[in-house]
Amino acid sequence: DGGITQSPKYLFRKEGQNVTLSCEQNLNHDAMYWYRQDPGQGLRLIYYSQIVNDFQKGDIAEGYSVSREKKESFPLTVTSAQKNPTAFYLCASSLGGRNQPQHFGDGTRLSIL
Amino acid sequence: GQQVMQIPQYQHVQEGEDFTTYCNSSTTLSNIQWYKQRPGGHPVFLIQLVKSGEVKKQKRLTFQFGEAKKNSSLHITATQTTDVGTYFCAGLPGTYKYIFGTGTRLKVLA
Repeated sequence: DGGITQSPKYLFRKEGQNVTLSCEQNLNHDAMYWYRQDPGQGLRLIYYSQIVNDFQKGDIAEGYSVSREKKESFPLTVTSAQKNPTAFYLCASSLGGRNQPQHFGDGTRLSIL
Repeated sequence: GQQVMQIPQYQHVQEGEDFTTYCNSSTTLSNIQWYKQRPGGHPVFLIQLVKSGEVKKQKRLTFQFGEAKKNSSLHITATQTTDVGTYFCAGLPGTYKYIFGTGTRLKVLA
């Protein structure tokens, strides 16, 4: 079945550590997105990529980094510079361009030990 | 900055009652999308509205896009327990970056 796979489902991080969240899609979508979801705040865009080897900062990119070396993969690294990383992280993809729905993965819940 | 406000934040209804959530943007939108997120799940695309004044229906759900393309609403007729979840609007003010509303969490009491 086509879809978006995020792993792991739950992730724990110690203070000062970088962690990488995986996002893989087999929908042959050009565009991929990372969102952060906090209670009562909806979804906020961290980074997005419209094409391989290119990505742009979203509204809350500070403390995060991404890469887009393959069409299918868009990993997100939460660095130690992100002071409040505890949140639910959602990856999405779309065909790209305007007027395309986004398909979401099941998310990764990150917590600080 | 650009914002999409959504109200109400929470809504509890008795099964069979109607429900409406509203989105308001500070800027004109190219289009607006609606998503539903079940408890513990991920957002699932419901519909997209593009034209000024557009109205679309999906069974008991009615979606509207305002004439000025700055507001939208989702109305559910005769709610059922399966309608439980959080409903998000997502507006496109520019080219690729959607701005999500804060969501309306719907609880349906049987």
